[in-house]
Amino acid sequence: AQSVTQLDSQVPVFEEAPVELRCNYSSSVSVYLFWYVQYPNQGLQLLLKYLSGSTLVKGINGFEAEFNKSQTSFHLRKPSVHISDTAEYFCAVTLPSGTYKYIFGTGTRLKVLA
Amino acid sequence: DTAVSQTPKYLVTQMGNDKSIKCEQNLGHDTMYWYKQDSKKFLKIMFSYNNKELIINETVPNRFSPKSPDKAHLNLHINSLELGDSAVYFCASSQEGSGTTNEKLFFGSGTQLSVL
Repeated sequence: AQSVTQLDSQVPVFEEAPVELRCNYSSSVSVYLFWYVQYPNQGLQLLLKYLSGSTLVKGINGFEAEFNKSQTSFHLRKPSVHISDTAEYFCAVTLPSGTYKYIFGTGTRLKVLA
Repeated sequence: DTAVSQTPKYLVTQMGNDKSIKCEQNLGHDTMYWYKQDSKKFLKIMFSYNNKELIINETVPNRFSPKSPDKAHLNLHINSLELGDSAVYFCASSQEGSGTTNEKLFFGSGTQLSVL
């Protein structure tokens, strides 16, 4: 079975500072990895995804993530955050072979301070 | 046009009542889902339908009954509502749900259910 761990439930950071949100996964087989963002009172939107190939994945709004197979991690980064990045961020996995099932982490609340 | 729309956005009801949440997607996707998000923001899959066929039923009480009249609709009916059912329920859809390179979930904006 697959699982996702987001170690930080909340990350406060000042505006224009860099940020890293951590995600580790557990799986005995290859997985697809995703980061979703949830703004207040909204559904989740895809930020970026890793399926295969280059381990550095770029997404929307200046976010990027790096897949590290040896450390089973898929950390999300942004070099300079804005107030508007304040949201809940979810890491998720699914199987390439198709299980119709995404497993989500518990989420990390990013709070950008002025 | 909204890709995945669910109604109502808010639902306040008494314990013991029966209620339904409706979901429609206009993306032409084959697969639709219901997720439950609790007060701690934890997202858990409840059901998944592919081409109107139930694929996933994640140990959800049988008071919850999904119904998919066609590929574009997946409704959730809840009988005998309990306090613990209070949560935000999200509908979602995806192209195939089969882990292809098109794989991506599109979410509705959620239904906040409050059981009093």
